[in-house]
Amino acid sequence: ELTQPPSVSVSPGQTARITCSGDTLPKQHGHWYQLKPGQAPVLVIYKDEERPSGIPERFSGSNSGTTVTLTISGVQAEDEADYYCQSADSSDRHVAFGGGTKLTVL
Amino acid sequence: QVQLQESGPGLVKASETLSLTCTVSGGSIGGYYWSWIRQPPGKGLEWIGYIYYSGSTNHNPSLKSRVSISVDTSNNQLSLKLSSVTAADSAVYYCASGKRGYSLSGYFFYYMDVWGKGTTVTVSS
Repeated sequence: ELTQPPSVSVSPGQTARITCSGDTLPKQHGHWYQLKPGQAPVLVIYKDEERPSGIPERFSGSNSGTTVTLTISGVQAEDEADYYCQSADSSDRHVAFGGGTKLTVL
Repeated sequence: QVQLQESGPGLVKASETLSLTCTVSGGSIGGYYWSWIRQPPGKGLEWIGYIYYSGSTNHNPSLKSRVSISVDTSNNQLSLKLSSVTAADSAVYYCASGKRGYSLSGYFFYYMDVWGKGTTVTVSS
């Protein structure tokens, strides 16, 4: 099971950190997705810290054992969205999602 | 870049089978993994399953007995069938391309790199 805070709020220009905790994370990679209403979800971080081409450098990721963290530096209004972490489950065979975090840009 | 488009009936009757198609454009379905994910209204994402272009599959254990995923390489499409649907199966259904592998320490990973916009399916009683 992957646990995320339901919501995070930051002002524009500040740094947002969204955490995802789970017992499988010391062994398995975490990945992050951005969801906006009416749009296709977007992969923003994969394999803990890799950033796909086209994703702004302000998005970064880290893994510190049982927690993976998505960091958005210099948050912009357009970053307001739901963010989901994803990894493998305890069977090491299936996909699992966190419950999602709503990022609000004040 | 590859683009994905989900299609299918927006309304399905309870106890019937939900059938969706995902059309892949801008690239070949061959050589890659393909996934289905859903999001019920007001809830989080739920992984349904994935398929390799060769036909091997991996499904969410909670849905496995009702789910069938297939690929049609000649038409560059993948399909989802979910049987015996109930209101709990009402959701936005997404298809996505995926990457699968093993970490340096030997643990499985899978992530979805390109997604479609999703299609809404409502199960009616």
